[in-house]
Amino acid sequence: ETGVTQTPRHLVMGMTNKKSLKCEQHLGHNAMYWYKQSAKKPLELMFVYNFKEQTENNSVPSRFSPECPNSSHLFLHLHTLQPEDSALYLCASSQVGTGDEKLFFGSGTQLSVL
Amino acid sequence: EDKVVQSPLSLVVHEGDTVTLNCSYEVTNFRSLLWYKQEKKAPTFLFMLTSSGIEKKSGRLSSILDKKELFSILNITATQTGDSAVYLCAVEAVGGSEKLVFGKGTKLTVNP
Repeated sequence: ETGVTQTPRHLVMGMTNKKSLKCEQHLGHNAMYWYKQSAKKPLELMFVYNFKEQTENNSVPSRFSPECPNSSHLFLHLHTLQPEDSALYLCASSQVGTGDEKLFFGSGTQLSVL
Repeated sequence: EDKVVQSPLSLVVHEGDTVTLNCSYEVTNFRSLLWYKQEKKAPTFLFMLTSSGIEKKSGRLSSILDKKELFSILNITATQTGDSAVYLCAVEAVGGSEKLVFGKGTKLTVNP
């Protein structure tokens, strides 16, 4: 267990559906991240939240909407997705400002868009 | 543009073999290089390297960084089937994890 929990593990949705991915970290970290992992491509950073404030939005389409209500929880709201959005979505957390800022990842949500 | 290139992209070996995984990088304001192991879904941390020439070791795994030639290697000796995974290399630029750039990974398969 990495201390970062993601739900659901798997999600199948149609292009007109609205769904949300949830992430919770139990490590007391002050930063949380959403990454997208597609087949044969590097991990792509989507969003970063430091102390609940969004500090990075890596040109992500507006059909992905993040929410960070507190430093332990992170959501990714999905609506009107496209089939090319099918991927593994990984949440991560880290403690920024300590010099040891390695990421701790959750197990991911495997998303399929039909 | 910052870039991390891993090689080979995939590798199949037999138990007991020694493997070397490569990671080269081009990044502005390098801070550290990290190795992760991704077995099923969650990448788990292996090593963080910040200084050239200092080997980091954990059991049968070891890694070293060359900041002059801009690369790192990950060695696994006496491989076991449990070493089968995707090994990810990432480079951190000044600014912390917000600037972590990942390679595509090396998929290692260890056959009995």
